[in-house]
Amino acid sequence: SQQGEEDPQALSIQEGENATMNCSYKTSINNLQWYRQNSGRGLVHLILIRSNEREKHSGRLRVTLDTSKKSSSLLITASRAADTASYFCATRPGGGADGLTFGKGTHLIIQP
Amino acid sequence: DGGITQSPKYLFRKEGQNVTLSCEQNLNHDAMYWYRQDPGQGLRLIYYSQIVNDFQKGDIAEGYSVSREKKESFPLTVTSAQKNPTAFYLCASTPFQGNTGELFFGEGSRLTVL
Repeated sequence: SQQGEEDPQALSIQEGENATMNCSYKTSINNLQWYRQNSGRGLVHLILIRSNEREKHSGRLRVTLDTSKKSSSLLITASRAADTASYFCATRPGGGADGLTFGKGTHLIIQP
Repeated sequence: DGGITQSPKYLFRKEGQNVTLSCEQNLNHDAMYWYRQDPGQGLRLIYYSQIVNDFQKGDIAEGYSVSREKKESFPLTVTSAQKNPTAFYLCASTPFQGNTGELFFGEGSRLTVL
């Protein structure tokens, strides 16, 4: 079952602009993770935010988490053409040790 | 270089045939996972294994089988019972049972049924 749902499904912006994508989830979590997938490739882990954290930064990435609203956002600042990819949020419902549950992703296109 | 190797990258199969996808990791990770991805969709969990000689069904295990005879290997067989096998298959691993951190992914295998 889908735990996370990303919004929007697709996003097209100009190079240099900021890109924001959102994720909503349904059950309690230990942490929420964001992954990137280039076309036809495997997923790459970007950032993990724990349930007791509200904001986390990594380079040009900024992630927020609001556990009261069961939502997270990923902000990519000063976008580059190489950021063109699909972005997925992932959680482990109930914090168990089985696999992550992924949303359907946001497809981000950076126009040069 | 440490990582996860999936093979083959592309595979074509006739209806009614079984096919096995390989997943090998040299990261010394205990837990391994198989996901299926359909176009424009997220990942759905097929099977996972947290330790050698043990594995559990995920959300969509019907028509698939796995084995975990060695720590570094977790092959997935797509059987003829799987009704819609055409998809992109991703293998992943994580360091140890109970780990709540990141998954490490292979580059995927694309299966097409003719």
